[in-house]
Amino acid sequence: DAGITQSPRHKVTETGTPVTLRCHQTENHRYMYWYRQDPGHGLRLIHYSYGVKDTDKGEVSDGYSVSRSKTEDFLLTLESATSSQTSVYFCAISPRQDGSPLHFGNGTRLTVT
Amino acid sequence: KQEVTQIPAALSVPEGENLVLNCSFTDSAIYNLQWFRQDPGKGLTSLLLIQSSQREQTSGRLNASLDKSSGRSTLYIAASQPGDSATYLCAALQGGSEKLVFGKGMKLTVNP
Repeated sequence: DAGITQSPRHKVTETGTPVTLRCHQTENHRYMYWYRQDPGHGLRLIHYSYGVKDTDKGEVSDGYSVSRSKTEDFLLTLESATSSQTSVYFCAISPRQDGSPLHFGNGTRLTVT
Repeated sequence: KQEVTQIPAALSVPEGENLVLNCSFTDSAIYNLQWFRQDPGKGLTSLLLIQSSQREQTSGRLNASLDKSSGRSTLYIAASQPGDSATYLCAALQGGSEKLVFGKGMKLTVNP
């Protein structure tokens, strides 16, 4: 898995609670990404980071925030979870922007009740 | 807006067949095209990446081609095996963008 660890692997939470997902890499890659995967929608980019403290929005960023205080960690926070955020969340990493292959973690299955 | 389509959504074949998986995209201004494999409950594994200046890439029994002018990429799997059973996704990276646009995938089942 190219040295990517996502935690937790599964989480059930209630509507309105904050949730933080963690992605940890041991590859020292510069680029890190958060995607969500949903039936009928495929994979969609939430946020990405191109360096420590450097982040930008993807196509479905509403309701999510991210932080990257160290090269190896990229956190995804749902400020107030909603049922529409029930999904499988994947972290991915890449060494550079010029189209190197993305390496994915094994995902976090989040259920918001 | 880039759209990536994979048809059919599912395919079931007997072992040993040579397979062609199709991927089409609407905007030819791509930087590269990537093929991934996803096993149930797992993340995506990168199979092949074709830069926009390339026509094809090969890895073992896999060969991917790219035709930007027609907006198509194909993944060829030779002598399919039951272990090839998985969902295969293609994704196009727009030039100057971090946005990798994914197709919805094709679920392949190779029967012994």
